[in-house]
Amino acid sequence: TQLLEQSPQFLSIQEGENLTVYCNSSSVFSSLQWYRQEPGEGPVLLVTVVTGGEVKKLKRLTFQFGDARKDSSLHITAAQPGDTGLYLCAGVSGSARQLTFGSGTQLTVLP
Amino acid sequence: DAGITQSPRHKVTETGTPVTLRCHQTENHRYMYWYRQDPGHGLRLIHYSYGVKDTDKGEVSDGYSVSRSKTEDFLLTLESATSSQTSVYFCAIGPAGTPGANVLTFGAGSRLTVL
Repeated sequence: TQLLEQSPQFLSIQEGENLTVYCNSSSVFSSLQWYRQEPGEGPVLLVTVVTGGEVKKLKRLTFQFGDARKDSSLHITAAQPGDTGLYLCAGVSGSARQLTFGSGTQLTVLP
Repeated sequence: DAGITQSPRHKVTETGTPVTLRCHQTENHRYMYWYRQDPGHGLRLIHYSYGVKDTDKGEVSDGYSVSRSKTEDFLLTLESATSSQTSVYFCAIGPAGTPGANVLTFGAGSRLTVL
């Protein structure tokens, strides 16, 4: 079983601050995804990264896939209250056929 | 919406009773999944389907069964519910082809409480 560890588990910051969320594993993943989930709803896909070292930007969100494809990070610049939610990373390894999810980072951005 | 509907959205039941959750999609996607979400555990795969009548077990399949008689419907059954199955259940769909199968669209969830 591939294990994805996310840190921090909880994060509460003020509007305008920057933050980084980490997703780490000892396994190599062929691709890694980030989802955001709001209360009472299902997760929504934000981005998929597939190449080691890949960086993708989605407005104020920057996603990076580690060179060895074992880890990823999500950086949010100038956080806004609308960024509040549960952020989940999920990966597919070569030996598995389905996504493995991390336990999530609960982000709260205070106005 | 994304064309995926779960029912019921909320259910309270007693230990030992059977429960069926339904997932209906209008996207004609090949892959369908059932996950459960519990605090501190993220999303864990229960069962998945890669076509009509083609299903396989996931990480936490004990106590659950599934059926897929039509492309659009994927049913999750708890034959005899236990308190440990209190959870929020999510259905997800994915198109055919790698990585499509793992690019998931989730339903809004079904909150099940077993007393």
